Amino acid sequence: KAGVTQTPRYLIKTRGQQVTLSCSPISGHRSVSWYQQTPGQGLQFLFEYFSETQRNKGNFPGRFSGRQFSNSRSEMNVSTLELGDSALYLCASSLNTGGQETQYFGPGTRLLVL
Amino acid sequence: SQQGEEDPQALSIQEGENATMNCSYKTSINNLQWYRQNSGRGLVHLILIRSNEREKHSGRLRVTLDTSKKSSSLLITASRAADTASYFCATEAYNTDKLIFGTGTRLQVFP
Repeated sequence: KAGVTQTPRYLIKTRGQQVTLSCSPISGHRSVSWYQQTPGQGLQFLFEYFSETQRNKGNFPGRFSGRQFSNSRSEMNVSTLELGDSALYLCASSLNTGGQETQYFGPGTRLLVL
Repeated sequence: SQQGEEDPQALSIQEGENATMNCSYKTSINNLQWYRQNSGRGLVHLILIRSNEREKHSGRLRVTLDTSKKSSSLLITASRAADTASYFCATEAYNTDKLIFGTGTRLQVFP
């Protein structure tokens, strides 16, 4: 089975712009979670989608949003980018929802906001 | 704040030595997982230990869980240079579905 894929792998944007990141889960996995990783804050949970519905949400402002499609692929959008949004964005898929499941991570999208 | 705090933040050892990393968490949990991350890439799941388990082994990995102290340890025996990575514990707090990651331990194994 192919692993979790994320596109693009690298991205440079300027403040005020918006960005959309994409994640394709492992075939058959219905849950997709997104994380932000920065040197200062570590790995922070953004949100989780399961069967096209947002199941859980972390403590991020409304500028961070996401969605999941019927094929379980997920997109994450960040509007009005700020310098502090520079980070590695990781998505992870699992068979079902819930933290009891092993998470399979993609390679991440490295976003740089200038 | 994050659920898990890891100690030490960084660890340097020689090949063949054992490496021990500790994780402390704050609330009751359903399970605790350990993940490895190689230099800013995706995380790889290593092992999951449930709240009713005290010890688990997988190859050169040994994980212990002490729910009374809200702590876990990961032992890597006979370390190799390829074990160089950051190691994170992650917990699913009781009655939530969210997986919360700790701060990580950066392990450097010198050949």
